Amino acid sequence: EVQLVESGGGLVQPGRSLKLSCAASGFTFSNYYMAWVRQAPKKGLEWVATISTSGSRTYYPDSVKGRFTISRDNAKSSLYLQMNSLKSEDTATYYCARAPPYVMDAWGQGASVTVSS
Amino acid sequence: DVVMTQTPVSLSVSLGGQVSISCRSSQSLVHNNGNTYLSWYLQKPGQSPQLLIYKVSNRFSGISDRFSGSGSGTDFTLKISRVEPDDLGVYYCGQGTQYPTFGSGTKLEIK
Repeated sequence: EVQLVESGGGLVQPGRSLKLSCAASGFTFSNYYMAWVRQAPKKGLEWVATISTSGSRTYYPDSVKGRFTISRDNAKSSLYLQMNSLKSEDTATYYCARAPPYVMDAWGQGASVTVSS
Repeated sequence: DVVMTQTPVSLSVSLGGQVSISCRSSQSLVHNNGNTYLSWYLQKPGQSPQLLIYKVSNRFSGISDRFSGSGSGTDFTLKISRVEPDDLGVYYCGQGTQYPTFGSGTKLEIK
């Protein structure tokens, strides 16, 4: 069974940093692109980042480019999201997702991030 | 960015009934490789999204044949037949042809 378990969420002040982790199991992690998708409270889904199988290629929307960094450790079957210069509008639940690519076929339970002073 | 527009915003259906949800993209979703990467997701209350349909009309593993997807180019439809209580939640369309974007969601309620 595919499992994705996020951790590292919490309350952080504006301008500070936070790093999310996602532990994957039940599939060969190194064979899949991976992604982060967020959902602001009572809002829809917004793609945040995608990383290739080796980690050599990363992709971001303009809303987080230059502030967020996606990375992976295939030996540990783990995905990460380093979030810097956080803003109140980054407040959301962050989902780790398996991205074959072109689709997101498995999602974690989410990690809640609140940016507030 | 490809903008995904879903209608309706919400709908109510009786158990056993049928519903359709529309999704329109601001640009064609036909990829250079000839595939169309339009997917449908369901987010049940208090849960994370789950994949229902990929590449317009392909049901994901374990998804009931009560769910069907159709469409092409910029216009797509999700149909749910013989609606069951477990179908309630918010349905999102999403595209992967360009950088991923999602529709704003359609909330399905059971009468």
